[in-house]
Amino acid sequence: AQSVTQLDSQVPVFEEAPVELRCNYSSSVSVYLFWYVQYPNQGLQLLLKYLSGSTLVKGINGFEAEFNKSQTSFHLRKPSVHISDTAEYFCAVSDYPYSGGYNKLIFGAGTRLAVHP
Amino acid sequence: ETGVTQSPTHLIKTRGQQVTLRCSSQSGHNTVSWYQQALGQGPQFIFQYYREEENGRGNFPPRFSGLQFPNYSSELNVNALELDDSALYLCASGSGGSGELFFGEGSRLTVL
Repeated sequence: AQSVTQLDSQVPVFEEAPVELRCNYSSSVSVYLFWYVQYPNQGLQLLLKYLSGSTLVKGINGFEAEFNKSQTSFHLRKPSVHISDTAEYFCAVSDYPYSGGYNKLIFGAGTRLAVHP
Repeated sequence: ETGVTQSPTHLIKTRGQQVTLRCSSQSGHNTVSWYQQALGQGPQFIFQYYREEENGRGNFPPRFSGLQFPNYSSELNVNALELDDSALYLCASGSGGSGELFFGEGSRLTVL
């Protein structure tokens, strides 16, 4: 079974500062990894995904993440944040190719990013 | 292309009632999944439908049921509502292969 741990429940940061949101996962098989963002009272929007290939993945809004298989991590980074980045961020894992045909995402508990002026 | 749309956006029910939530999948997608997101938590997988059959289910009791229609729209039905069913219910569609899911805005259910 897979699991996801987001190591920080809240991350406060000043505008234009860099930020890293940490995510670790556990799985006995190869996985797909995702980061989603959720703005207040909205659904989930995909930021980026890792399926295979290059371990550095670039997404929307200037975010990127690095897949580290040996450390089972998939940390999200942004070099300079904006006030508009204030939101809840969710890391998710899927073992879709091995799951028997259905795509079940396992989500972490979320990290609240609060960007201050 | 149209995105994933859900209705209603908000609703209030009382304990013991039944509720039906609706979802229209993104064009070209052939799977639809439902997730429950309790306040302050990450979404939890309820089930997935493919070709109008449930082909995967999470740890939810049988009073959570669903339907997928030939046009890939979907319903989530919850019977005998309990207070703990209060949550945001998210519908997601996908086309397989990529493992990527596209989510709707959700239906916020409050059970009193």
